[in-house]
Amino acid sequence: QQQVKQSPQSLIVQKGGISIINCAYENTAFDYFPWYQQFPGKGPALLIAIRPDVSEKKEGRFTISFNKSAKQFSLHIMDSQPGDSATYFCAASRTGNNRKLIWGLGTSLAVNP
Amino acid sequence: DGGITQSPKYLFRKEGQNVTLSCEQNLNHDAMYWYRQDPGQGLRLIYYSQIVNDFQKGDIAEGYSVSREKKESFPLTVTSAQKNPTAFYLCASSVLAGAVGYEQFFGPGTRLTVL
Repeated sequence: QQQVKQSPQSLIVQKGGISIINCAYENTAFDYFPWYQQFPGKGPALLIAIRPDVSEKKEGRFTISFNKSAKQFSLHIMDSQPGDSATYFCAASRTGNNRKLIWGLGTSLAVNP
Repeated sequence: DGGITQSPKYLFRKEGQNVTLSCEQNLNHDAMYWYRQDPGQGLRLIYYSQIVNDFQKGDIAEGYSVSREKKESFPLTVTSAQKNPTAFYLCASSVLAGAVGYEQFFGPGTRLTVL
């Protein structure tokens, strides 16, 4: 049972374009939604995260948009660069003792020069 | 430097052998995790530990075992009972799971290949 559904599985964008990755969740108790970035042969690293009390969070070229009623959140990468080529994972969890992160299956992003 | 180290980076195993993957952290984190990564299947949780001498099974624990004798260390043993062990294994650590906005820090991974 996939509690966090991520799409698309892969994405190709031209340099300077906007990359958009979407995630949908089922559990309305989730209250923490991070995005991780993973380069080939490396471990993932936290990119940006949001809590449901805000609808948008921006850090540089990376923005999370959050739609609580639709139970969806998305990552937007503005002015995409070849160095952004990586796999991106969304995740969700709820605050509380022993709460695990529930991961999406990942999106492989390639930014063409 | 604070961080998580995993060793070895590459590991080859013959069928029927047990192998142990090392994970050490100096971030003073209470929680540690082991994930398995296969193409197209995301990150699947094998085991996790919130405190020394205690650990819980994740989603795919069969054929694996762990120990947590020290706060800094969380080794994973891939046993001969694991039917398809070839994968990329990632160790992570964090403050207690479920803390507000907690971040998992990942090691560089170990790629295990069964010959």
